[in-house]
Amino acid sequence: EAQVTQNPRYLITVTGKKLTVTCSQNMNHEYMSWYRQDPGLGLRQIYYSMNVEVTDKGDVPEGYKVSRKEKRNFPLILESPSPNQTSLYFCASSPVPGLAGGAETQYFGPGTRLLVL
Amino acid sequence: AQKVTQAQTEISVVEKEDVTLDCVYETRDTTYYLFWYKQPPSGELVFLIRRNSFDEQNEISGRYSWNFQKSTSSFNFTITASQVVDSAVYFCALSGFLLTFGGGTRLMVKP
Repeated sequence: EAQVTQNPRYLITVTGKKLTVTCSQNMNHEYMSWYRQDPGLGLRQIYYSMNVEVTDKGDVPEGYKVSRKEKRNFPLILESPSPNQTSLYFCASSPVPGLAGGAETQYFGPGTRLLVL
Repeated sequence: AQKVTQAQTEISVVEKEDVTLDCVYETRDTTYYLFWYKQPPSGELVFLIRRNSFDEQNEISGRYSWNFQKSTSSFNFTITASQVVDSAVYFCALSGFLLTFGGGTRLMVKP
């Protein structure tokens, strides 16, 4: 089954304790992305990756890091989480945008709900 | 910069009513894509439709229909004969290269 998986699905942590949220896709997609969802703001892009070893900032990258060492995995790292990073996080993947005439449909993981105390 | 506005933050209807969710967008791109996603109470994001900027034909899929009007930069979504299972948050999104989401509209369908 084609899917995007995220782990953990729920996480409660304390300020300053480093954490990693994993994301993996089995569709051989080049493009992967992280979003955070906050009430009234919709989803905002944190980082994206066009392919292995190619990453770039989205709209709200502060306080986050990513890496893309393998095509299927795109972990999100919070080196020193703060309460304002409490949010619902989504990972997504698609073929590379811009090919075949335009943006490709992004497929989303199930979400990771993070609470930073 | 791209922008998507969903002015209706919350809509409440009674089952079997028709309901339209509004989406207005801003972009300088001449080629772009518009999307609608559904987020049910379980939290996942479900893809509903993708439409490119050159195709202004309305689309119907069962009880769902979409009205794309480039002249008013709108891409509205109508649910006909709403059902309780339609209760969800609906997001409109715009993509030139990156995907920009609106703030979402929470639809509550009461029995």
